[in-house]
Amino acid sequence: DTAVSQTPKYLVTQMGNDKSIKCEQNLGHDTMYWYKQDSKKFLKIMFSYNNKELIINETVPNRFSPKSPDKAHLNLHINSLELGDSAVYFCASSPALADSYEQYFGPGTRLTVT
Amino acid sequence: GQSLEQPSEVTAVEGAIVQINCTYQTSGFYGLSWYQQHDGGAPTFLSYNALDGLEETGRFSSFLSRSDSYGYLLLQELQMKDSASYFCAVRGASTGGFKTIFGAGTRLFVKA
Repeated sequence: DTAVSQTPKYLVTQMGNDKSIKCEQNLGHDTMYWYKQDSKKFLKIMFSYNNKELIINETVPNRFSPKSPDKAHLNLHINSLELGDSAVYFCASSPALADSYEQYFGPGTRLTVT
Repeated sequence: GQSLEQPSEVTAVEGAIVQINCTYQTSGFYGLSWYQQHDGGAPTFLSYNALDGLEETGRFSSFLSRSDSYGYLLLQELQMKDSASYFCAVRGASTGGFKTIFGAGTRLFVKA
């Protein structure tokens, strides 16, 4: 059984479009995260949610809007996509905020903006 | 703010021992984690040090010195499958609680 799953795995779209990435975890964790990994493999935190509440927003443009309908799901909607948004986006979870040192990552969504 | 430094690349021979160093700067330090990521894969958790000293998990060990703001990951009996990127990640304080910041990663190449 997949612990942290993301859909889609690949996303190719044009500049200016709006797209969403979905994430679900079946681990019963309270805390979920979104990361962006660029072409140089630098892994940068974007958002952190704890029990559906936004905890961390790392100066991400307003075009990125996360939504957590329940603590098992954390979706990411991106408006007006730009070339610089091309990256791999990882969702992750941890049992609680206090356990953020051990995170379980999803398989990633490779977003290509043309 | 928080920052981490680790070498960009390390090359070693199968069966050898390799050490990947990580130095960090952070406010409100809570601990240092290590993650492994194979090409095209997701990061997977390897180890965590909150206190000074060595933590051993099979062929992998991780060390922390909080006074030196330094840690390392030690990989023994290297195997070809250990070729991957290794990230150190520091857990520090943030307004919302804890925040984990990742280093830029060290690419390990294991040669036969």
